Order: sequence, then structure tokens, then C-alpha cells
Amino acid sequence: GAVVSQHPSRVICKSGTSVKIECRSLDFQATTMFWYRQFPKKSLMLMATSNEGSKATYEQGVEKDKFLINHASLTLSTLTVTSAHPEDSSFYICSARGTLAHYEQYFGPGTRLTVT
Amino acid sequence: AQKITQTQPGMFVQEKEAVTLDCTYDTSDQSYGLFWYKQPSSGEMIFLIYQGSYDEQNATEGRYSLNFQKARKSANLVISASQLGDSAMYFCAMREATSGTYKYIFGTGTRLKVLA
Repeated sequence: GAVVSQHPSRVICKSGTSVKIECRSLDFQATTMFWYRQFPKKSLMLMATSNEGSKATYEQGVEKDKFLINHASLTLSTLTVTSAHPEDSSFYICSARGTLAHYEQYFGPGTRLTVT
Repeated sequence: AQKITQTQPGMFVQEKEAVTLDCTYDTSDQSYGLFWYKQPSSGEMIFLIYQGSYDEQNATEGRYSLNFQKARKSANLVISASQLGDSAMYFCAMREATSGTYKYIFGTGTRLKVLA
């Protein structure tokens, strides 16, 4: 099946710094990528949808200047958490959707961000 | 209003028994998709099963089956012959079209514990 990777799997950063998370589709072209955030023992909350070559569409309540999303190619999307604060600590998961069958989106393994 | 409702925060099942995880949804779209995902403690989201709104037959994938009752807007997951490895969080999700793009909305999840 289709594979989506995320890097890094875990990252610890200091408050005020920026962190970049990469999401790659390894064996298919991802026309759309989704970024989710998951708090401990909670559901996945969609943060934004990005289509290759265009600006991301952010969900209500998500600060686009804080969570920068770039979908520069059909296999790579990045999420940059700018000026991170401890409340940004969370599990971030990307998923990718291409011209696939009804499974439609494949998830990356997630990135656990801890801001100290 | 909650679009995906999972009313069981936690469930226990004896090994080798069957278990049903409930999911109800709310949409005004005629065309939509329903998904179930498994999330073990590692955090990865594992696709289990998909049901399209126009599919007349209930979806089945190995030990997983989806009890789709369109009029009641329910899409319950049935796991037969439970195994210890089935212990995980289970999320029901719905894909609906919004402004020309697809969005995926997740329920709050059900934590399943299989007992030996």
C-alpha cells in the first residue's frame, strides 16, 4: 500500500524557536495533504488542507502565521511551528491523498513535539 | 454540532469474542464516505475499513465489518474473534466535500481493551 513518512518522529525544542516537520509520500503523488493535531487521548483535529502549488486552507481557529504549511511538490509538505510555546506541544499527523482508490488518504506515523 | 459521534469512550471484550464499536454521523451530503481507523499506542493511524454512502452492501475486511445503516446514519464497526493485538483506540471518520475539496472529520474515539 501507499506509504507516507514523517520526519522527525520526535522533537524537543525550546520555547520561542521554530520547528519544521516534513511529510512525504513515498510511492505516490499526493495532490492533497492534510495536517492534523492530536492532544493526548483526544481525537484528531484537522488543522489545514494543502494542495500542491497553492496556499493551504486553514481550519477555523488555526493561526496560519504560526503554523506555516508549504506543499512545494507532489511528494512533500512541511509544517513549520513558528515561535513555539509549551501549549504547542502535541502529536502532529499528516496524511496524503492522491488519485487513489477509496482508501483515499494515507497517514504518516506522526511527530511528537515537546516545547520546553 | 458533532458530525461524528462515538458514544463509547472505552470498551472491554474477551479474547475471541466479537465486539461492536458504535458510530453515528450527521451530514446533509448525498455522497460521503465513512472510515474506521485503529490507533495503537505507537500513534500511527491504521486504516481498517471504508464504506461509501452509495454502497448497498456492508463493507468487510477480514475480521472487520461495517454495519452501515444509512437511514439511521450509523456506521458501527464489528470486530469478530477479538485478539489481544486489537487493543487500541478506534476512530470513526467521515469524508465530506466542502467547497470543492474533501475534508475528513473524526470522532472522539473508543478505547478497546481485549482481555485474555
